[in-house]
Amino acid sequence: DTAVSQTPKYLVTQMGNDKSIKCEQNLGHDTMYWYKQDSKKFLKIMFSYNNKELIINETVPNRFSPKSPDKAHLNLHINSLELGDSAVYFCASSPYSGETQYFGPGTRLLVL
Amino acid sequence: AQRVTQPEKLLSVFKGAPVELKCNYSYSGSPELFWYVQYSRQRLQLLLRHISRESIKGFTADLNKGETSFHLKKPFAQEEDSAMYYCALSGRKAAGNKLTFGGGTRVLVKP
Repeated sequence: DTAVSQTPKYLVTQMGNDKSIKCEQNLGHDTMYWYKQDSKKFLKIMFSYNNKELIINETVPNRFSPKSPDKAHLNLHINSLELGDSAVYFCASSPYSGETQYFGPGTRLLVL
Repeated sequence: AQRVTQPEKLLSVFKGAPVELKCNYSYSGSPELFWYVQYSRQRLQLLLRHISRESIKGFTADLNKGETSFHLKKPFAQEEDSAMYYCALSGRKAAGNKLTFGGGTRVLVKP
């Protein structure tokens, strides 16, 4: 099944914890992205990697650190979680930067 | 800077009625415009893009560079069209082209 997959699907954690979300795509795409969708459904890009190289880094707290071990994976690590980090995080990929993006199912993060 | 505006947060129509979702953009170069749809609790998926000039699920959208708009239209809405719709812009000239999304419009099609 060719797709963009994310784990976990749901993540409930306490403030101050560190957590990671994993993303994998088997579409052979060069570019991967992380987006945050807030409670009002507003969708905003956080990061983009092209062939394991960071190419977009929006104004995101440095508690968020993406890591791309290879071009098929882009993981998101979040340190010292805060209440405001509660959101749905979407991973996406595209054949190359600027092309149609294919989204993962999302990870619903709830910080208590 | 690139910006996408969807002025309507919610559109409620009856089944069989026409529906139009407005999208306006701001971009100094030559933009590429997309419409993405998110059905309840599902992932975002591409609905259509302006360069393909297709009609998908009865939806069409025309890029109007003069009015900087890319409105999405369907002549006869169906209940299964109820979803969140996002207009998005990709700038071609910048390195690391990113998709900038509008705030989204929730469409509710009533029976």
